Amino acid sequence: GAVVSQHPSRVICKSGTSVKIECRSLDFQATTMFWYRQFPKQSLMLMATSNEGSKATYEQGVEKDKFLINHASLTLSTLTVTSAHPEDSSFYICSARVAPGPEAFFGQGTRLTVV
Amino acid sequence: AQSVTQPDIHITVSEGASLELRCNYSYGATPYLFWYVQSPGQGLQLLLKYFSGDTLVQGIKGFEAEFKRSQSSFNLRKPSVHWSDAAEYFCAVGVLGQGAQKLVFGQGTRLTINP
Repeated sequence: GAVVSQHPSRVICKSGTSVKIECRSLDFQATTMFWYRQFPKQSLMLMATSNEGSKATYEQGVEKDKFLINHASLTLSTLTVTSAHPEDSSFYICSARVAPGPEAFFGQGTRLTVV
Repeated sequence: AQSVTQPDIHITVSEGASLELRCNYSYGATPYLFWYVQSPGQGLQLLLKYFSGDTLVQGIKGFEAEFKRSQSSFNLRKPSVHWSDAAEYFCAVGVLGQGAQKLVFGQGTRLTINP
């Protein structure tokens, strides 16, 4: 149990276009989902926290207009990178949590390359 | 502020040798503590967790960790490593922030196994 599926695993897009990444909890309902960004050989940086049916809460320094997060259901959250630029190239990872505990389950990650 | 420190960026051990990865945290309340493992290009897999109770916790793949409140530590151990244990290891503390539990990660320790 507790499987989180992230799609796509890899995506290449042109500069200026938008890319959507999906994060699904397959066998449980996730009250909260998290989006992280990871640069090569570095740790995970939390970008935002989203609760189903409400607006995402962004960490300081993360542009909410650039990284649009939607959490429309208890099993699906999406991250849209708008007007992508090469500096947005990174590894994006989602995780999902079932309240009330703090334990979170992670997706496989998405490697985004903006050319 | 909450923080997690993994003092060792890179550790190399021989196959069959014992392993200890260090983790120190800074958090005012009783922490929820986690160890995750990440293979290249993959998401994170939970190895073990500590919420309360017995301070020595057993995890998957033969790993264990000991919570020491007096030292603010949660070191990960394995008696005998296997070549398949080569990966990146992250220690994390669960904290309450902006109305939701979230994870704060350490910088990670890259484990290399010599044959």
